[in-house]
Amino acid sequence: GAVVSQHPSRVICKSGTSVKIECRSLDFQATTMFWYRQFPKQSLMLMATSNEGSKATYEQGVEKDKFLINHASLTLSTLTVTSAHPEDSSFYICSARPLKLAASYEQYFGPGTRLTVT
Amino acid sequence: AQSVTQLGSHVSVSEGALVLLRCNYSSSVPPYLFWYVQYPNQGLQLLLKYTTGATLVKGINGFEAEFKKSETSFHLTKPSAHMSDAAEYFCAVSGATNKLIFGTGTLLAVQP
Repeated sequence: GAVVSQHPSRVICKSGTSVKIECRSLDFQATTMFWYRQFPKQSLMLMATSNEGSKATYEQGVEKDKFLINHASLTLSTLTVTSAHPEDSSFYICSARPLKLAASYEQYFGPGTRLTVT
Repeated sequence: AQSVTQLGSHVSVSEGALVLLRCNYSSSVPPYLFWYVQYPNQGLQLLLKYTTGATLVKGINGFEAEFKKSETSFHLTKPSAHMSDAAEYFCAVSGATNKLIFGTGTLLAVQP
């Protein structure tokens, strides 16, 4: 149980194009999903918190117009990197918090998406 | 505010030896503490968590951690390392906000 999937696992795009990454909770409902960015050999940096049916809350320094987050249902959140540039190349990881575990702050993580912008 | 400090960005042990990965936290409220493991190019997998109750927490793959409030620590241990334990380990704290605050990670190498 508690499986989170991400699609695609790897994507290469050209500079200036937009890329959408999907995050799905496969066997549970999640009112809250999180998007992280991880640079090589570094820790996870929280980008934004996504709540179903409402606007995402972005961390300081994260451009909301560049990283568009949509949480349309209790099992799906999407991150769209708009007008991507090489510096956006990174490993993007989503996580989801099951409704039943909301009080314990536990999150289940997806396998990540490697974005390379050329 | 909450924060996590992981001492030792790289730890190397021999197969069969004790694994000790250190984590100290700072929190103005009772913390919830987590250890996650990450294998190359993969997401994070929960090893164990402390919320309330028993301070010695047992997790998967033979790992355990002890919450010591007086020392603000939550060190991860495993009596006998296995080659498959080689990975990156992250300690995280939550409780004051909706978020997980991660440490910088410890890369564990296991030598044959």
